Amino acid sequence: DQQVKQNSPSLSVQEGRISILNCDYTNSMFDYFLWYKKYPAEGPTFLISISSIKDKNEDGRFTVFLNKSAKHLSLHIVPSQPGDSAVYFCAASGTSGTYKYIFGTGTRLKVLA
Amino acid sequence: SQTIHQWPATLVQPVGSPLSLECTVEGTSNPNLYWYRQAAGRGLQLLFYSVGIGQISSEVPQNLSASRPQDRQFILSSKKLLLSDSGFYLCAWSRDNQPQHFGDGTRLSIL
Repeated sequence: DQQVKQNSPSLSVQEGRISILNCDYTNSMFDYFLWYKKYPAEGPTFLISISSIKDKNEDGRFTVFLNKSAKHLSLHIVPSQPGDSAVYFCAASGTSGTYKYIFGTGTRLKVLA
Repeated sequence: SQTIHQWPATLVQPVGSPLSLECTVEGTSNPNLYWYRQAAGRGLQLLFYSVGIGQISSEVPQNLSASRPQDRQFILSSKKLLLSDSGFYLCAWSRDNQPQHFGDGTRLSIL
């Protein structure tokens, strides 16, 4: 049972345009969500997070949107840069298991120059 | 600043051999520590987490075990490796409900 799903395994975007990565979850107890970025042969790097009390969090070129009723979150990258090419994982956590992140399977983003 | 070290970066082991992967964290005290595995085409699966020395919680039944002999040291072990233990193993740390930070992982191949 996959509680966190990233249904697009890959995405290609032109440099300078917007990248939108999507993530769906099934467990309504999740209240904290994160995005990680992973380059080959490296560990994931934390990008941005959002608590369920918010519907948007912004950090520079990265914005995460949360739609609790749809159990959906998305990461927007504007403008996209070639260095953004990586695998992006979303993760979710609930208050009863703060330590436990449930990860999606990842989306490989390729930004074309 | 805090850093996390994992070694080795890659490891090739025969079936039935033992395993020991080590992870250490610097620059913080009493971190929460985690072991994850990423199988091919899958997300990161939490294997073990620890909130203190000697305190280990296992998330999935498996052929592996974890130990925390020191505050900032986390070890992943197996007495006899199986083919299904192949994967990318990641150690992570966190403190005070802040996001987890990952090491660069160990690519384990079982032959």
